[in-house]
Amino acid sequence: EIMMTQSPATLSVSPGERVTLSCRASQSIYGKLAWYQQKPGQAPRLLIYAASTRATGIPARFSGSGSGTEFTLTISSLQSVDFAVYYCQQYSIWERTFGQGTKLEIK
Amino acid sequence: DVQLVESGGRLVQPGGSLRLSCAASGFSFSSYEMNWVRQAPGKGLEWLSYISSTSRTIYYADSVKGRFTISRDNAKNSLYLQMNSLRAEDTALYYCARDSDSTPFDYWGRGTLVTVSS
Repeated sequence: EIMMTQSPATLSVSPGERVTLSCRASQSIYGKLAWYQQKPGQAPRLLIYAASTRATGIPARFSGSGSGTEFTLTISSLQSVDFAVYYCQQYSIWERTFGQGTKLEIK
Repeated sequence: DVQLVESGGRLVQPGGSLRLSCAASGFSFSSYEMNWVRQAPGKGLEWLSYISSTSRTIYYADSVKGRFTISRDNAKNSLYLQMNSLRAEDTALYYCARDSDSTPFDYWGRGTLVTVSS
């Protein structure tokens, strides 16, 4: 099983700030990394796949990077609609494991 | 528009069984892989099961292996999850999600709630 570890668990930030979320895999996942955003009462929404490709309709302020076992999601200038929980997920093997999530809170 | 609509969730007693359905529309269902994912109240996402477009390949998370069975009917554009020997820890919102080699989990349903309690 590939374990996915996200940090930090919670991040308090102000609108307009730049924020970086981290995700680490327990072994190489060859770039097969996705990021999802989930707001209360809603299903998750795909933001980024293949580590750095934005999904359809995702604003350019969201960007992903990384390789091997270390990955990041960056939001260049936080907007009020971005406060949510963010999950990373590996899909390099059949067991498509998620990280435990990072909650973005308004400071 | 792509739509995934889950149904079948309800209150069930421990040890009981339940069959969840996911009705797909707006895309060529038979061309896509599908998954079930759940989320316990206040918790994170847990991947449960994967099925290939032809049903030839199926995978399960260890937490449900031997108790849950994924299946699909491409003629009915539907995905299913048969859940047996249910436990309190299976209480969660269950989502179906579309998958492909190029784009993982790009569409999700809104979920159906399963509560296991006596």
